[in-house]
Amino acid sequence: DGGITQSPKYLFRKEGQNVTLSCEQNLNHDAMYWYRQDPGQGLRLIYYSQIVNDFQKGDIAEGYSVSREKKESFPLTVTSAQKNPTAFYLCASKPVFNYGYTFGSGTRLTVV
Amino acid sequence: DQQVKQNSPSLSVQEGRISILNCDYTNSMFDYFLWYKKYPAEGPTFLISISSIKDKNEDGRFTVFLNKSAKHLSLHIVPSQPGDSAVYFCAASGGSGNTGKLIFGQGTTLQVKP
Repeated sequence: DGGITQSPKYLFRKEGQNVTLSCEQNLNHDAMYWYRQDPGQGLRLIYYSQIVNDFQKGDIAEGYSVSREKKESFPLTVTSAQKNPTAFYLCASKPVFNYGYTFGSGTRLTVV
Repeated sequence: DQQVKQNSPSLSVQEGRISILNCDYTNSMFDYFLWYKKYPAEGPTFLISISSIKDKNEDGRFTVFLNKSAKHLSLHIVPSQPGDSAVYFCAASGGSGNTGKLIFGQGTTLQVKP
């Protein structure tokens, strides 16, 4: 069954630590995206990648980093430079010539 | 600058009645619009979409209307069911340097009461 998998579902991080969120898809989609959801602010784009070994900053990239070494994988690292990292993080993918995303089930990150 | 806006944070309707969710946008270059439905602690799922060359698209109980001159779209759910209770996001695609990314509104929480 094709889909997009985010792990872990819940993640706790101490202040000052980096943490990496996993996103894997077996849909053979070229483009992948990371969004962050905060109450009342909708979904805001962090980073996106349209092809392997290439990615671009979204609207709120500060304090985050990504890599796209494989088509199937697009991990997001939340660094200690991110001032307010507690949020729900969503990964999505889509084929190049299609408008709609397929989303993962999300990762809830909490800084303790 | 919020290019896609959902000005109603919440909406409550009675089961069986119509739910109307609204969305406004500012970028006239947007050429495709989508609605997503999201339950708590889950990823959004695609609901319905519309191209800018159309003014209406229907799928079962769900209809999306697009008014390009007003830069406004709406989602109608008829009849509303308790299982429709969720957060609804509208999203837009297109514009200069189109990279396929979607711009989302803030979301509207719909509650359908039995």
